[in-house]
Amino acid sequence: EAGVAQSPRYKIIEKRQSVAFWCNPISGHATLYWYQQILGQGPKLLIQFQNNGVVDDSQLPKDRFSAERLKGVDSTLKIQPAKLEDSAVYLCASSRTGTSGEQYFGPGTRLTVT
Amino acid sequence: AQKITQTQPGMFVQEKEAVTLDCTYDTSDQSYGLFWYKQPSSGEMIFLIYQGSYDEQNATEGRYSLNFQKARKSANLVISASQLGDSAMYFCAMRGEGGGNKLTFGTGTQLKVEL
Repeated sequence: EAGVAQSPRYKIIEKRQSVAFWCNPISGHATLYWYQQILGQGPKLLIQFQNNGVVDDSQLPKDRFSAERLKGVDSTLKIQPAKLEDSAVYLCASSRTGTSGEQYFGPGTRLTVT
Repeated sequence: AQKITQTQPGMFVQEKEAVTLDCTYDTSDQSYGLFWYKQPSSGEMIFLIYQGSYDEQNATEGRYSLNFQKARKSANLVISASQLGDSAMYFCAMRGEGGGNKLTFGTGTQLKVEL
């Protein structure tokens, strides 16, 4: 079974530029999560999708971050415009419905904003 | 609100020895789940073990076991027979009753296994 795929793995941009990250979850996993992990901290949930609907986006900075999950499979997370404090690893995870909730993570995208 | 506390920023252990990584949690939920994840330097979070709040027995997965003490609100990870490949960052996380399986993570413990 293929794991969660993410791209790109690394991205360097200047502040005020825009960037997009892509995630493909494990086949059959209805729930998809985007986390932000700042260096030295644990991951923080940005947004959670159940199929193509948003379950929780309470910690998503909606003035600059947006995410979508069209057709309930792949997802993209966008930042526009980026700030220096957005430098972090962006992790995508997925889980099956009806389980204890263990989430399976992708390799992450390391974003550096200069 | 839920909170996870990991008080050990770094730990060292000799190869083949056992090590315990501490985790305490705070929640008002009656039903919750506790997870441990391993994050090697490559960055990927690897699921290790899960304990449900109503599970009467401590969870075990191979060399990993979870020492669950509900009254103390602790969920310590025990790694037996440490291997060099166990060197990584370890995160404790919690899922509460609401929020659709949202995980709250601690700050992590960096484990270094030495020869």
